[in-house]
Amino acid sequence: EDQVTQSPEALRLQEGESSSLNCSYTVSGLRGLFWYRQDPGKGPEFLFTLYSAGEEKEKERLKATLTKKESFLHITAPKPEDSATYLCAVQARNSNSGYALNFGKGTSLLVTP
Amino acid sequence: GAVVSQHPSWVICKSGTSVKIECRSLDFQATTMFWYRQFPKQSLMLMATSNEGSKATYEQGVEKDKFLINHASLTLSTLTVTSAHPEDSSFYICSALGQGIEQYFGPGTRLTVT
Repeated sequence: EDQVTQSPEALRLQEGESSSLNCSYTVSGLRGLFWYRQDPGKGPEFLFTLYSAGEEKEKERLKATLTKKESFLHITAPKPEDSATYLCAVQARNSNSGYALNFGKGTSLLVTP
Repeated sequence: GAVVSQHPSWVICKSGTSVKIECRSLDFQATTMFWYRQFPKQSLMLMATSNEGSKATYEQGVEKDKFLINHASLTLSTLTVTSAHPEDSSFYICSALGQGIEQYFGPGTRLTVT
């Protein structure tokens, strides 16, 4: 069974204090690994898709990396507006649910001034 | 691009009544849409996959007669919660499959059943 585990559950950073969020996964044939940002009371906002081990993608202060077992979301010099819950999800190649996503529980990030 | 809307954003209904939630892809066509449910402090749980012009596929444990899904066009899917009860109170979020494999999510609908 596909599993996605995110750590830590919650993370508090000072503004400018870089850190990484982890997403460990087991899936029978990865089609893609996704990172989303979710603000309270809102739907998830798409950030990145990673397809294969070794791939990296960047967007502003965020950088996502992928290995065969886990993905990291690196946040460089975060700002208070980066505070949100970051969700990791995997899409299995041979899932009975087609292109459906299997989400982790998320990491709640709080960046203080 | 890749904007998905949901309506209503929140709804309060009495126990036993039905509620319809609309999900629209505004600037792209989506042959496949998904419906998720999210309880407080928890992640998104897939309820069903909606394919345009065909019957929805429901995940195990989701009652298809209670959660009616209709995907009548390439830009609209609807979820009707029939005979709602307080335990159906939740945050319902739809997503639409883009041209690739990414899903783009709507802003969600907060349902409260009294």
